[in-house]
Amino acid sequence: GDSVTQMEGPVTLSEEAFLTINCTYTATGYPSLFWYVQYPGEGLQLLLKATKADDKGSNKGFEATYRKETTSFHLEKGSVQVSDSAVYFCALINFGNEKLTFGTGTRLTIIP
Amino acid sequence: DTEVTQTPKHLVMGMTNKKSLKCEQHMGHRAMYWYKQKAKKPPELMFVYSYEKLSINESVPSRFSPECPNSSLLNLHLHALQPEDSALYLCASRPLLREYNSPLHFGNGTRLTVT
Repeated sequence: GDSVTQMEGPVTLSEEAFLTINCTYTATGYPSLFWYVQYPGEGLQLLLKATKADDKGSNKGFEATYRKETTSFHLEKGSVQVSDSAVYFCALINFGNEKLTFGTGTRLTIIP
Repeated sequence: DTEVTQTPKHLVMGMTNKKSLKCEQHMGHRAMYWYKQKAKKPPELMFVYSYEKLSINESVPSRFSPECPNSSLLNLHLHALQPEDSALYLCASRPLLREYNSPLHFGNGTRLTVT
């Protein structure tokens, strides 16, 4: 079946540091890939998405590129802010499977 | 601002109570979902409705009873819950069940505590 593997957290960075959160997936065919963010006490918000190989999703300074050859969708941001502190989930939906498959989530804390 | 609205935000109920969670969206989406999220875990799928009909039930105990009275509204009726059912309950929607390029849109959830 489909699966998503995220880097273990928690991750703690200083403000303005470079961020990478690794995400790899196992799935047949060409799934659609997503990053969701969950701020404390809130639901999940879509951060960005990519629906085919080599697509780059971007939003709020975050980027992720759909790499079919390495089955990866790593999240990056060049300069993080305290307000980026949240839990980040990598997820996929595959053709023929109506369920959203989540990674375990990565808790990010940014220190001023 | 989320386009999926869930009420109430918080709910405390006893094990003998009956309560309901409500979810509403006005985006014209025809697929609606209930998820359960425990602390420090990803959401777990409970139910999926497509065109107001139950499409997926992830072997959820019968003390959870979903209902989709119209295309904009999704309810989750709760009865005789256990303390381990305490969690964040999230509602989500997407345009169509099999529109695989479309993300799910989540509400902010109902924080349920069973005493």
